[in-house]
Amino acid sequence: SQQGEEDPQALSIQEGENATMNCSYKTSINNLQWYRQNSGRGLVHLILIRSNEREKHSGRLRVTLDTSKKSSSLLITASRAADTASYFCATAGGTSYGKLTFGQGTILTVHP
Amino acid sequence: DGGITQSPKYLFRKEGQNVTLSCEQNLNHDAMYWYRQDPGQGLRLIYYSQIVNDFQKGDIAEGYSVSREKKESFPLTVTSAQKNPTAFYLCASSIDGGTSGSDTQYFGPGTRLTVL
Repeated sequence: SQQGEEDPQALSIQEGENATMNCSYKTSINNLQWYRQNSGRGLVHLILIRSNEREKHSGRLRVTLDTSKKSSSLLITASRAADTASYFCATAGGTSYGKLTFGQGTILTVHP
Repeated sequence: DGGITQSPKYLFRKEGQNVTLSCEQNLNHDAMYWYRQDPGQGLRLIYYSQIVNDFQKGDIAEGYSVSREKKESFPLTVTSAQKNPTAFYLCASSIDGGTSGSDTQYFGPGTRLTVL
């Protein structure tokens, strides 16, 4: 079964606005990662947050993790048309070293 | 250039045929993975290998087979036993399968398989 559930399934915004995507998971984790996928391409790693971290930044990306609620959010600030893609959360947990469980993704469309 | 390559980009197969998808990496990574992605869905793990000459089944291994004879290569065979093989297949690698605490995976560009 899927570990991560993402919300919303699709998000449409204007350039310059912020985009927030949420991910919930069910079991304990070692870390949670966010990936981006342009249509018909492979995934690209964006950011990793460990279970003992609450917030992490990378450029225009901000990720939060709440282990008590088993949830994470990805915020993209000042969005650009080039940010249009699908975004997936993936969890690594327990003794499943290296194995990631992916959510179903959020499709983000940024209109110029 | 360092990275992961997959070939072919598009593959067409007749029902009842086995096909093999290629995945090669020159990142010197120990671990490699195969995922299947259906339209509008996330990735599901087919097989993974944490070291040469060893591999384990993922969540949807039925109808698939793999080998890991070389560190840089992890080919996936889609057999005729796979009932619904039409999908986008993604290969990935990671440094050491997470044993160092780094689970970041690096993905190839994918192979789109269509059964005619």
